[in-house]
Parts: sequence; C-alpha cells; structure tokens
Amino acid sequence: AQSVTQLDSQVPVFEEAPVELRCNYSSSVSVYLFWYVQYPNQGLQLLLKYLSGSTLVKGINGFEAEFNKSQTSFHLRKPSVHISDTAEYFCAVSERVDNFNKFYFGSGTKLNVKP
Amino acid sequence: DTAVSQTPKYLVTQMGNDKSIKCEQNLGHDTMYWYKQDSKKFLKIMFSYNNKELIINETVPNRFSPKSPDKAHLNLHINSLELGDSAVYFCASSPRDGRESAFGANVLTFGAGSRLTVL
Repeated sequence: AQSVTQLDSQVPVFEEAPVELRCNYSSSVSVYLFWYVQYPNQGLQLLLKYLSGSTLVKGINGFEAEFNKSQTSFHLRKPSVHISDTAEYFCAVSERVDNFNKFYFGSGTKLNVKP
Repeated sequence: DTAVSQTPKYLVTQMGNDKSIKCEQNLGHDTMYWYKQDSKKFLKIMFSYNNKELIINETVPNRFSPKSPDKAHLNLHINSLELGDSAVYFCASSPRDGRESAFGANVLTFGAGSRLTVL
C-alpha cells in the first residue's frame, strides 16, 4: 500500500509571494499523482494531475507541480499566491490494486495567505 | 446540475441512533466511493463500488453498510452511532475502475460532504 506524506501541515505566506507545498509518496511502482484543493466547507476539487509524459504539470489557478520519480515527490508550486488561494491542499496517489485504481491521500497542507 | 450530490449536508444525532447519508452522481460514472474525513482533515477510503459491485471495503466497523441500488447512487447507512463516527463523509465518483486502459487513472469528483455530529 502507498503512503503519501505532506510534511507541512500549515504554510503561512504573504500575498504575491511564491509557495511550494511538498508531497512525497512511498512506492516506486507506476502511480498516478494528483493535487486536490478543499475550500472551507466544500468538497475537494481537482487542481492538477500527472498521468504520463512531461514531468511538469500545469493546473488551474496558476498552480503547477513537478513529478520527480527518483525522489518520489510531486511538489506543488505557485509563483505568486492570492488571498483566494487560502485553502487545504491534498496530494493523492493512485495505484492499481487487484485491477482497480486505489487512491491514497496525504494528510493535507493548510495554505494561509496573508495580506 | 450538481455532479455529485450528497444529502444531508449536516446531520446531528444522538449516540445509538441509526442514520443514512445518500449520494447521487449524474456524470455517468461507473465507480463510486465513500471517504471519511476526520477532525484533522485526514481522508480515508471506506468503500468503493463499481457498477453496483463492492470492490473496496476497508477496515470499517460493520455498523457501516453501503448500498448501491444502481450505479448512479451509493448510500451509506450507519447503525448504533458512536461519538467517534463524528466526521465529514465525502462521496466521490470516477469514470471507471481502470481495468480497460493503462491510462484509466480515475479522476475523483467529490461531493460537498456531509458533516455528521454524534452527541
């Protein structure tokens, strides 16, 4: 089974500053990688995904993430954050288990953007 | 035109009661899931159904019983509620289970969540 580690439970940052949210996963077998965002009192929305191809993936709202297979990482970045980016961010990994895709989520990183 | 809808959004009840949460998706997806999010925001898979067939059943007390009358619906019934059941329960769906394609990486579409509070 996979484990997904988000080392930072909270990341405070000032508006317009760059940010990186870290994600590492445990297994080196073929996986698919995702970042989801959860705004207060809402469900999770897909930010971006890596399935194959270019290791740099661009998502919505100006976010991007880079897949690093050797380091089993999938860090999320944004060059300039807005107040509206304040939310909980979840890294997720999908791997095939018994012919089904099974998802594993990290514990989340709370991004707090300050004015 | 909500893609994945859950009801109720909030549920407050006493210990020992039985309650249900309903989920419906209008995306035409084959696979549906129930996730539990605890107070620390940790998300844990509970169940997954593919076209009405149970495919994932994690270590969940048997007080929790999912039911899928058709592939667009996945309901969660909880018997004899306990304080530790308090959480936000998310329903999700995905297009298919990925057996047909190496790139069948299912993107999960989540509902808005059902916050259960057991007193």
